Amino acid sequence: RKEVEQDPGPFNVPEGATVAFNCTYSNSASQSFFWYRQDCRKEPKLLMSVYSSGNEDGRFTAQLNRASQYISLLIRDSKLSDSATYLCVVISDRGSTLGRLYFGRGTQLTVWP
Amino acid sequence: DGGITQSPKYLFRKEGQNVTLSCEQNLNHDAMYWYRQDPGQGLRLIYYSQIVNDFQKGDIAEGYSVSREKKESFPLTVTSAQKNPTAFYLCASSPLHPGQTLVGQPQHFGDGTRLSIL
Repeated sequence: RKEVEQDPGPFNVPEGATVAFNCTYSNSASQSFFWYRQDCRKEPKLLMSVYSSGNEDGRFTAQLNRASQYISLLIRDSKLSDSATYLCVVISDRGSTLGRLYFGRGTQLTVWP
Repeated sequence: DGGITQSPKYLFRKEGQNVTLSCEQNLNHDAMYWYRQDPGQGLRLIYYSQIVNDFQKGDIAEGYSVSREKKESFPLTVTSAQKNPTAFYLCASSPLHPGQTLVGQPQHFGDGTRLSIL
């Protein structure tokens, strides 16, 4: 079983729509969670961390459900510039002092006018 | 500005040839990483290093080698033993905090090197 599973999409939504992505992780001891954004042929960039209590950054809301081992990203009022691939990232410690990052395959989002 | 610089942006490898991808960071980060990304796939860890002169294999280290002689630099060599080298290679770094057993720091990425076979 993969460490991190994501629905690859693609999600095609009109401007102004609300869209949600989910991601599940297999290691219950995972400690840190992030959403990254990757534009076509570019490097991933940190979008936001995901905290246990849930957190919001403008139009973006991230939530963590430890019991069900999933994290989610909600984008409200989608903009054309939100079109990208969104990567779910989980840090798990497997006995080393260095937390390993595990990446989902990414969910592709296209926002159309 | 602080950041991670990868070079070259595009690289072509002839059969039987070793090629080296450069990664330099001026963020004063202790940990550095190399990932490979194939189309439609997530990032897969090749090698990582927590400290100078030390590095560890990731999930797909076969056919690759690294060195960490300086804190700022973590070059990756794609050897002729790597039979399917065509991919997007990403270097990343993150800080390490002494005394912590788990690093919860996100990683910062360079802008990548695209490697293709001639």
